Amino acid sequence: GAVVSQHPSRVICKSGTSVKIECRSLDFQATTMFWYRQFPKQSLMLMATSNEGSKATYEQGVEKDKFLINHASLTLSTLTVTSAHPEDSSFYICSAPPGPTNEKLFFGSGTQLSVL
Amino acid sequence: AQKITQTQPGMFVQEKEAVTLDCTYDTSDQSYGLFWYKQPSSGEMIFLIYQGSYDEQNATEGRYSLNFQKARKSTNLVISASQLGDSAMYFCAMREMDSSYKLIFGSGTRLLVRP
Repeated sequence: GAVVSQHPSRVICKSGTSVKIECRSLDFQATTMFWYRQFPKQSLMLMATSNEGSKATYEQGVEKDKFLINHASLTLSTLTVTSAHPEDSSFYICSAPPGPTNEKLFFGSGTQLSVL
Repeated sequence: AQKITQTQPGMFVQEKEAVTLDCTYDTSDQSYGLFWYKQPSSGEMIFLIYQGSYDEQNATEGRYSLNFQKARKSTNLVISASQLGDSAMYFCAMREMDSSYKLIFGSGTRLLVRP
């Protein structure tokens, strides 16, 4: 079945540094990928929709300069948290649909970001 | 307005019994998909079951089934013969196919299966 690989699974960084998270579709092409953020004991909140070859679409309230998204190929989307601060500490998870009307969305395994 | 509402923050069920997790949704799209995902403590999102807005039959997948009531805009998940491994967070989600294709999640229900 379709698989989405996400790396790293866990990252600890100092305040002020930037962190890049990768999301790859392993056996299908994903023109669209979705990035979510999840705080402890809360739901997944959609941050942005990553579109291959064009700019990402950000949800209201999400800073596009803070969370840089690049979708340079049909199998790779990256989320870069720039100048991370402790309040950016969260679980970030990506998902990709194999097609626009496909029933399932496949999720990566998530990245736990801790900013000290 | 909330698009996906899960009113049960936490539920208990005795092992081997059935449990129903509630979910209501709000959309003006004619074509949409409804999903249930399980999230254990490891954080991974496990797809459980899907119901399309045009599907007339309630979806079933093994021990999981949906009670889909379109007029009421509800899609409740029924887990039969609960197992200890079913203890997890359960999220209801919706994709609006006419508009954005985004998958929007409800607030989740934490299920605890008692031995």
